[in-house]
Amino acid sequence: EIVLTQSPGTLSLSPGERATLSCRASQSVTSNNLAWYQQKPGQALRLLIYGASNRLTGIPGRFSGSGSGTDFTLTISSLEPEDFAVYYCQQYGGSLTFGGGTKVEIK
Amino acid sequence: EVQLVESGGDLVQPGGSLRLSCAASGFTFSNHCFNWVRQAPGKGLEWLSYISRSSSTIYYADSVKGRFTMSRDNAKNSLYLQMNSLTADDTAVYYCAMWAGSGDLYPSPLDHWGPGTLVTVSS
Repeated sequence: EIVLTQSPGTLSLSPGERATLSCRASQSVTSNNLAWYQQKPGQALRLLIYGASNRLTGIPGRFSGSGSGTDFTLTISSLEPEDFAVYYCQQYGGSLTFGGGTKVEIK
Repeated sequence: EVQLVESGGDLVQPGGSLRLSCAASGFTFSNHCFNWVRQAPGKGLEWLSYISRSSSTIYYADSVKGRFTMSRDNAKNSLYLQMNSLTADDTAVYYCAMWAGSGDLYPSPLDHWGPGTLVTVSS
């Protein structure tokens, strides 16, 4: 089973700042089958990125994904108030596993 | 609009059973495969089970294999998760989720999720 480790656990930033979230896999993720999700209290999980760098239709351009192999990054170029949430990575290259999450909180 | 709505969550005693349902609408249910995912309080996400369009292929996580059974009724546009031999470790919000692309695909990203239903296992 591929284990995903997300860092940092919590990111304290101000609106307008850049957020960089990391997701490291215990082994190479097949075909870069890596997705990113956003979770807010009381709301359904929202898929942001799939295939490591493909933004889902309707996801704002400030969200971008990059990386390959075992190291992946979600970048939010300029935080909006609605972006403060918990973010999870997920690999679907071999079975299906999630990272432990990164909370982006208002500083 | 795609909608997934889970139900059936409840307080149950250790060793007990519970059946969760997920009602789907806004799309052709029989064209899609589905997953169950759970989230323990304050914890991350854990994939539990996958079912193909015709129910011919079903996968389970090791943590629930032999205790949980996933099924579907294409005539009722519904998914089910029968949970037996429940323990405190099964306390979580349970989500049904899918990938909007047609066909059987496992594993996959999940672009539609329900709001979840809470299962609490406690005496």
